[in-house]
Amino acid sequence: DTAVSQTPKYLVTQMGNDKSIKCEQNLGHDTMYWYKQDSKKFLKIMFSYNNKELIINETVPNRFSPKSPDKAHLNLHINSLELGDSAVYFCASTGEANTGELFFGEGSRLTVL
Amino acid sequence: DQQVKQNSPSLSVQEGRISILNCDYTNSMFDYFLWYKKYPAEGPTFLISISSIKDKNEDGRFTVFLNKSAKHLSLHIVPSQPGDSAVYFCAAIDNAGNMLTFGGGTRLMVKP
Repeated sequence: DTAVSQTPKYLVTQMGNDKSIKCEQNLGHDTMYWYKQDSKKFLKIMFSYNNKELIINETVPNRFSPKSPDKAHLNLHINSLELGDSAVYFCASTGEANTGELFFGEGSRLTVL
Repeated sequence: DQQVKQNSPSLSVQEGRISILNCDYTNSMFDYFLWYKKYPAEGPTFLISISSIKDKNEDGRFTVFLNKSAKHLSLHIVPSQPGDSAVYFCAAIDNAGNMLTFGGGTRLMVKP
């Protein structure tokens, strides 16, 4: 059983489209995250979500919005996709946010044409 | 502004020898440091961590050393094995429990 699962694993779309990436964790964790790994391979935090408290990295454009229907899910919606949004997006979760010990999904590779 | 830096993008080591991966940080508020390992097409997986109150933590073949005065940590893998070939990310978190900050990663290649 996959602890943190993301769908789709690959997504190719045109500029200007709106797309979503789904994330589910079956670990019973309270905190979930979205990270972006860009072309230079840096992993950068986008959002943190804990008990309905959303913490946003201020550098993230407001075209990106996380939505959490319940504690086990944190989906990522992206509006008006741009070429620079092409990256691998990782979902993660943790039961101990202060330790930094995260469980990551396999990643979703988004390509914007 | 990168608060966590891994200056070596890659490292090649012979099987059985020691691998040393380095990491520097700038934020003095960081008080918990971690190493993650990442294989291609997979998400990063937690490997080992160290609290700022310690200077060494060991787990099997993996040892992390922390030098707070130099704001430097390192991961030692000994003996290195071909299965250790992966990208290693250094990461840090501050004492307010804010979001984990990653370095740029070092690709380790262990040659048989």
